[in-house]
Amino acid sequence: GENVEQHPSTLSVQEGDSAVIKCTYSDSASNYFPWYKQELGKGPQLIIDIRSNVGEKKDQRIAVTLNKTAKHFSLHITETQPEDSAVYFCAASITGGGNKLTFGTGTQLKVEL
Amino acid sequence: NAGVMQNPRHLVRRRGQEARLRCSPMKGHSHVYWYRQLPEEGLKFMVYLQKENIIDESGMPKERFSAEFPKEGPSILRIQQVVRGDSAAYFCASSRDDQPQHFGDGTRLSIL
Repeated sequence: GENVEQHPSTLSVQEGDSAVIKCTYSDSASNYFPWYKQELGKGPQLIIDIRSNVGEKKDQRIAVTLNKTAKHFSLHITETQPEDSAVYFCAASITGGGNKLTFGTGTQLKVEL
Repeated sequence: NAGVMQNPRHLVRRRGQEARLRCSPMKGHSHVYWYRQLPEEGLKFMVYLQKENIIDESGMPKERFSAEFPKEGPSILRIQQVVRGDSAAYFCASSRDDQPQHFGDGTRLSIL
């Protein structure tokens, strides 16, 4: 089955700096890669996703890149703000093949003032 | 436009009791997924259902766990004869067809 690895497990940045979180996946059939943000006591919230037919997607301060050959994808957050502090999860799935998400183990992002 | 609704938010059970977790998907969503999250870990897939059908239960423990999504009403995740190891946060997500999954805020299950 699919295996998703995520690094780093914790990340501390200064407000205004950029943050990068990286994930690798094992199943070359995976074609959908969402990123979720989870705040304490809440459920995961979808923040951005990318499908395997594109290499990059951007939404304001958030961008995701995908390298299908190397089987890795990354989340980039620019101009970080204190409210970006949360746990971020990457995930992978095969759309049309059951859709179950395989999650990474999460990155605790802390944005310091 | 209500999101995915899960209840109860917190559930305490003694060992050997039954736990019933409920999930109402977003309006218009016919696909429901259940995931389990242990402390300091990512979410693990349990089961995927469409109305009245279990599509994929490859992540469900073979014993004591069951799930349903009836024609009317919420999806139910049922855990019989709970043990301490069942303590976790259980999340439900819903989607339309191949669209992104949206999660509820989970049920935190504690076993005494």
